[in-house]
Amino acid sequence: DTGVSQDPRHKITKRGQNVTFRCDPISEHNRLYWYRQTLGQGPEFLTYFQNEAQLEKSRLLSDRFSAERPKGSFSTLEIQRTEQGDSAMYLCASSSDRLYGYTFGSGTRLTVV
Amino acid sequence: GENVEQHPSTLSVQEGDSAVIKCTYSDSASNYFPWYKQELGKRPQLIIDIRSNVGEKKDQRIAVTLNKTAKHFSLHITETQPEDSAVYFCAASSGYSTLTFGKGTMLLVSP
Repeated sequence: DTGVSQDPRHKITKRGQNVTFRCDPISEHNRLYWYRQTLGQGPEFLTYFQNEAQLEKSRLLSDRFSAERPKGSFSTLEIQRTEQGDSAMYLCASSSDRLYGYTFGSGTRLTVV
Repeated sequence: GENVEQHPSTLSVQEGDSAVIKCTYSDSASNYFPWYKQELGKRPQLIIDIRSNVGEKKDQRIAVTLNKTAKHFSLHITETQPEDSAVYFCAASSGYSTLTFGKGTMLLVSP
């Protein structure tokens, strides 16, 4: 286990299509976070899971966005009916109850054309 | 919620100089303050962090200082090297809650 893995690394989609991203956290980490980062900005919080429970969602997370973490392992983030404004880097991070800091994945860069 | 402001947005220094990046936060309950370094096209990586029970922490050429009364904290890099060139983000959280990030500082170290 070498870190947080995200798939795919890049995704180009047409406006209106649905996309799904996957995140595999560090195996012993029970906390998983999704952030969005646009050019020139810091990561913006989207949602947070502790084990399989989704405990917090940002108001940035519109009803077109949904996230799951079945069985408390990997997580998926789905965006329905994509819009050009959804173009961004989607970062996943994981942590544990004994850690304050996060380990980030390399992200999925989404381009909506 | 928490709001983190970061300055400057860009910082250019000569190799060997020191660099200082400053952040302020709004939530007095925040007690954890990490700094992340993000090189172009790569993931943010934690480089140093500080908790509110200390005022300063050092790790080789980098240090972080915290002033809880004024609600600000700073990253100090001494003897900068070209490989220090990157975007640096500060962040804040209360306990194990989610991190709120600043907008980042692009540091350019010229040889």
